[in-house]
Parts: sequence; structure tokens; C-alpha cells
Amino acid sequence: SQTIHQWPATLVQPVGSPLSLECTVEGTSNPNLYWYRQAAGRGLQLLFYSVGIGQISSEVPQNLSASRPQDRQFILSSKKLLLSDSGFYLCAWSRGSAGELFFGEGSRLTVL
Amino acid sequence: QKEVEQNSGPLSVPEGAIASLNCTYSDRGSQSFFWYRQYSGKSPELIMSIYSNGDKEDGRFTAQLNKASQYVSLLIRDSQPSDSATYLCAVNPSGTSYGKLTFGQGTILTVHP
Repeated sequence: SQTIHQWPATLVQPVGSPLSLECTVEGTSNPNLYWYRQAAGRGLQLLFYSVGIGQISSEVPQNLSASRPQDRQFILSSKKLLLSDSGFYLCAWSRGSAGELFFGEGSRLTVL
Repeated sequence: QKEVEQNSGPLSVPEGAIASLNCTYSDRGSQSFFWYRQYSGKSPELIMSIYSNGDKEDGRFTAQLNKASQYVSLLIRDSQPSDSATYLCAVNPSGTSYGKLTFGQGTILTVHP
């Protein structure tokens, strides 16, 4: 069966520091991968998605970036965090034409 | 802007009752509809997907879709305290690839013993 893992689960970072969140998927090949963010009091917002290695589409202008160095690995990065980057970051994958989205455990980021 | 609106809640029902969660969407061309359950501090979990008009049942859960009214709902029968969570409605708008979902703000459901 397919599983998706994210790490770290929780992190507290100062403003201006870098960020790296990782996500890996097991049990499937060539998945579509997504990064969503859930900020306090707001709904889930799509940040990036990828249909293959090195293929990244950005949905929202921001100081974040994403990379997909391997088929089942998706990384979210920032060079300098802002207070507004705080939130719950969720990696997800989708399968085939059903459109169902499956989320990882999430990474909760607090920027101070 | 393609939007998904849910009853803000919170919704409180007694154990054993039917909980009814509602969702409307603005993009008439949307084809795929999903309900997610999110426990506090956890990630969303897919509980139902529906693609055609009518009802779809899975255990105690029934999803209902009416494309003409741009309305999708989730019924939870015999509600249990373990059903207490935030329920998110999600839609795959027309012209977007699969997985690029638009989510509602969620409805908080509390089932009290």
C-alpha cells in the first residue's frame, strides 16, 4: 500500500532563517505531488505541485520554493522565513484520474 | 475566483443522531467532490469521494451531490463521539488537473454523549 511521510513534524524557526521540509512517498511510482499550507483560521491553500522529477508549478507567489530531485521525493524550502510563513504544511499525493488526494502527517512551522 | 463554502458551525449533535454537513461551490463545471475529516492537530483524511449526481453510501457516511444546485453534503448516521472533528469539503474545479483541490473552510462537528 502507498504511504507518505513528512519531516520534521514540528519546528520553531526565527524570522530570516532558512527552511527545508521533506516528503517521501512509498508504494507508488510517478505520483503527482503537492504542497499545501493550512494557516490558522484559513483553509487549505495549494502552494506547489509536481507531475514529475524537476517539474514544479507554483500556485501562489511567495518566498517559498519547491524541488523534486527524485520521483518520490518532494522538498519545500525557503531562504528567509517570514512571520506569515507560520502554518501547517501538508505534502500530498494523488493517484490516476480519480483525483483523490492523500496527505502526509504534516509539518507544523512556527516562525518567531 | 472559484470558491467552496461550508456551514461555519460549529455543529453539535447528540450521540446516535444524524449529522448533516453542507457545502456549495461556485464553479459549475466541477467534476470531482471530496469530504475530508481532520482531527485537531492532525492532517486531513479522505473519507468520501463522489463524482455523479445522487447519493453514495459507505458505512455510516452518505455523500450527496446535486450539480444543478452546486451542492454537496455529507450525512453521518449514528454519530459517535469519535466523529468529532473538522470536516472539509473539497472540489476539483474545471480546467484544473487532478489533485489541485479547492477546499472549504471546514465545519467543526462535536458529538456529545
